[in-house]
Amino acid sequence: KNQVEQSPQSLIILEGKNCTLQCNYTVSPFSNLRWYKQDTGRGPVSLTIMTFSENTKSNGRYTATLDADTKQSSLHITASQLSDSASYICVVSETDKLIFGTGTRLQVFP
Amino acid sequence: DAEITQSPRHKITETGRQVTLACHQTWNHNNMFWYRQDLGHGLRLIHYSYGVQDTNKGEVSDGYSVSRSNTEDLPLTLESAASSQTSVYFCASSESASGGDQETQYFGPGTRLLVL
Repeated sequence: KNQVEQSPQSLIILEGKNCTLQCNYTVSPFSNLRWYKQDTGRGPVSLTIMTFSENTKSNGRYTATLDADTKQSSLHITASQLSDSASYICVVSETDKLIFGTGTRLQVFP
Repeated sequence: DAEITQSPRHKITETGRQVTLACHQTWNHNNMFWYRQDLGHGLRLIHYSYGVQDTNKGEVSDGYSVSRSNTEDLPLTLESAASSQTSVYFCASSESASGGDQETQYFGPGTRLLVL
């Protein structure tokens, strides 16, 4: 069964610190992997999209990595800000279908 | 600026009633999607459309229907609302099919539905 699993489920960090969120998937065939940010009460917003041939992609303080061999991805947030408090969702594309992880809820405290 | 909107943002209804959730996008995207989001689950696809008059079932389509009469709108109808359909519903749109490389889905703000 195609699955996307994220860890940790929730994370609390202090403002200014770095953090890394993990995503493991068993989706096959694999087309691309996306990371979305979802603020409370809002729809998800795309952060990065990577194909199987890309192993890293950045969007400001967000850097996503992909290891297609081990089927793992990570999202690294540098110098966290209060506005980074949100859920981060890993989404894997299987040809014409998107499979969503359940997300990691990040809280950044001052 | 182009956008995707949903209405209502919150809705309370009773079991057995028909409910329609609206989704409107000004991106001029061919592809539109409806998802539901529940605790403990990732977003799950209900229905999708790749163009006017085209509709397709997603993985959790039972009890829901959609119709696409123009490019901008994809209303979602709950034929006879059930308590299991209490959820947050998101509409999304994209230029190309969901599996396209570098293709982004743009999500609306969501509709929170409570079925009593």
